[in-house]
Amino acid sequence: QVVLTQSPSASASLGASVKLTCTLSSAYRSYAIAWHQKQAEKGPRFLMKLNSDGSHIQGDGIPDRFSGSSSGAERYLTISSLQSEDEADYYCQTWGTGIHVVFGGGTKLTVL
Amino acid sequence: QVHLVQSGAEVKKPGASVKVSCKASEHILTTSYMHWVRLAPGQGLEWMGISDPTDGTTTYAQKFQGRVTITRDTSTSTVYMELSGLSSEDAAVYFCASTGLEYYLDQWGRGTLVIVSS
Repeated sequence: QVVLTQSPSASASLGASVKLTCTLSSAYRSYAIAWHQKQAEKGPRFLMKLNSDGSHIQGDGIPDRFSGSSSGAERYLTISSLQSEDEADYYCQTWGTGIHVVFGGGTKLTVL
Repeated sequence: QVHLVQSGAEVKKPGASVKVSCKASEHILTTSYMHWVRLAPGQGLEWMGISDPTDGTTTYAQKFQGRVTITRDTSTSTVYMELSGLSSEDAAVYFCASTGLEYYLDQWGRGTLVIVSS
């Protein structure tokens, strides 16, 4: 079964950049993932679909401050020019035949 | 852009069932896969199940097998999730979401809070 591993927390200063990591279990290293943002009191928001080659499909209305990249089994979400509203939980998610939908444990981002 | 509008908060007693609805702004139930996901306090997102657009066939996460039922009404573009045998561990916000053939959840509802309390 696929496992997505995320650090529980991250922090960065207002205006800075932060890179969040999602690591796929090795047998699934070629899988695409999606990144989602979960702000308090709001529904999750789809940020992007990220392929193993680093190509990605940005969600509707998602600013290009949010970018994705890949290396091996790792999938990254980089947020640049951090704003206070970027403080949220970030989840990666993958899918496939037989595994349906699987989420990582989420990373809580604090903007200092 | 599709909007998914969910029903309001529910308070249920342990052992009861809850049925949450999700109405789509367009007739997507026959073209999009509809998923249910929940978020419990202090936990992460958890996938519960899916409804196939072709015929409403459902698949459920093993954890919820026997307790969850996803149904749909294509005439009103509404999908439902019913969870039975509620316990305090089922207290959570329940979300509907839609996908295409690739199951990245690109449209989400705002969520329905379910409180389980005696």
